[in-house]
Amino acid sequence: GDSVTQMEGPVTLSEEAFLTINCTYTATGYPSLFWYVQYPGEGLQLLLKATKADDKGSNKGFEATYRKETTSFHLEKGSVQVSDSAVYFCALPNAGGTSYGKLTFGQGTILTVHP
Amino acid sequence: DTGVSQNPRHKITKRGQNVTFRCDPISEHNRLYWYRQTLGQGPEFLTYFQNEAQLEKSRLLSDRFSAERPKGSFSTLEIQRTEQGDSAMYLCASSLYRQLPDGYTFGSGTRLTVV
Repeated sequence: GDSVTQMEGPVTLSEEAFLTINCTYTATGYPSLFWYVQYPGEGLQLLLKATKADDKGSNKGFEATYRKETTSFHLEKGSVQVSDSAVYFCALPNAGGTSYGKLTFGQGTILTVHP
Repeated sequence: DTGVSQNPRHKITKRGQNVTFRCDPISEHNRLYWYRQTLGQGPEFLTYFQNEAQLEKSRLLSDRFSAERPKGSFSTLEIQRTEQGDSAMYLCASSLYRQLPDGYTFGSGTRLTVV
């Protein structure tokens, strides 16, 4: 079945540092890929998406490129801010059938940015 | 529209008691999903509804769990004879089928603690 693996362990950075959160996936076919963000006390929000190979999703300074050859969708940001502190989830949707739209999530990465 | 609303936000219950959670989706959304998120893990799919019909249930959903969506509006998730392993955040999300897979709106969740 579909699965998503994110880098383990929380990430702690200083403001303006470069961020990478790794995500690899296993799926049937070529699904869309998502990054969701969960700020403290809030629901998950879609941060960015890519719908096909070599697509680059971007939003709020974050970017991720859909790499079919390495089955990866790593999240990057060139200069993080304190307000980026949150939990980040890589996710992929089931591509068809009765499970269409069902999301499979990675385990999440806690990002803490210090001033 | 105020988004997806979940109540209560927090619930503490004694082992063996029954609990019920409510989710009010965005009014025009025909798809409603329940996910469970345990500490340090990403959300895991439990079940979903298309209007009032429950179309899929995860094997995570033991016979102690039941979900309903009468009239295709709000949904309830009931857990009978709670166990400590049921302690988790229960997330509800809604979407329009035609906006899948990236049209999800998540609620803020109900945090269940079984003591």
